[in-house]
Amino acid sequence: AQKVTQAQTEISVVEKEDVTLDCVYETRDTTYYLFWYKQPPSGELVFLIRRNSFDEQNEISGRYSWNFQKSTSSFNFTITASQVVDSAVYFCALSGPRYNRDAGNMLTFGGGTRLMVKP
Amino acid sequence: EPEVTQTPSHQVTQMGQEVILRCVPISNHLYFYWYRQILGQKVEFLVSFYNNEISEKSEIFDDQFSVERPDGSNFTLKIRSTKLEDSAMYFCASSARRDRSNQPQHFGDGTRLSIL
Repeated sequence: AQKVTQAQTEISVVEKEDVTLDCVYETRDTTYYLFWYKQPPSGELVFLIRRNSFDEQNEISGRYSWNFQKSTSSFNFTITASQVVDSAVYFCALSGPRYNRDAGNMLTFGGGTRLMVKP
Repeated sequence: EPEVTQTPSHQVTQMGQEVILRCVPISNHLYFYWYRQILGQKVEFLVSFYNNEISEKSEIFDDQFSVERPDGSNFTLKIRSTKLEDSAMYFCASSARRDRSNQPQHFGDGTRLSIL
């Protein structure tokens, strides 16, 4: 069974602070994929990043960076110099390998972290 | 940029009534999904669909639920006899096909279903 845990249910920071959102996962698969999605107050789910289990390189995209550590089963997300527009619920998600081309692959989501960035 | 579109954005239905939620996935995508999110809770997988067949479904997706791709563009979720606990945001998603790698799923804006 797969499980994703986001222990921080809510984080509040002041604009320009750095903030890290934690994600810990459990899976028996040796090949798997990790994702982060953003859900702004308007409710849609916006894809941010995908990482496969063979690629432990950290990634930076503008003010966003992701730290994947297989040894601790964590895939943490850092926002540098946070802005009010970053206020949203952030979901970490996990999917297993696709055993055949005809199968899609379900995402298992964590409970989400609500980030509030105050001016 | 192409996107997944869902209609209606909000559906209010009496308990026991049938409801159909509609989705137009991204045009070159081949895998389709439905998820739901009860207010304030996590997003939960319902069903995945490929080549006109259900490829995977969760325990939530019982006999009251069905999915269909009635034509080349629409992907629908039907709930036959709605219950109060079906009230949730329902998200449609689609993903492209690649060899064995799981391409990201792109989500629509959701349909908020309210059962009275």
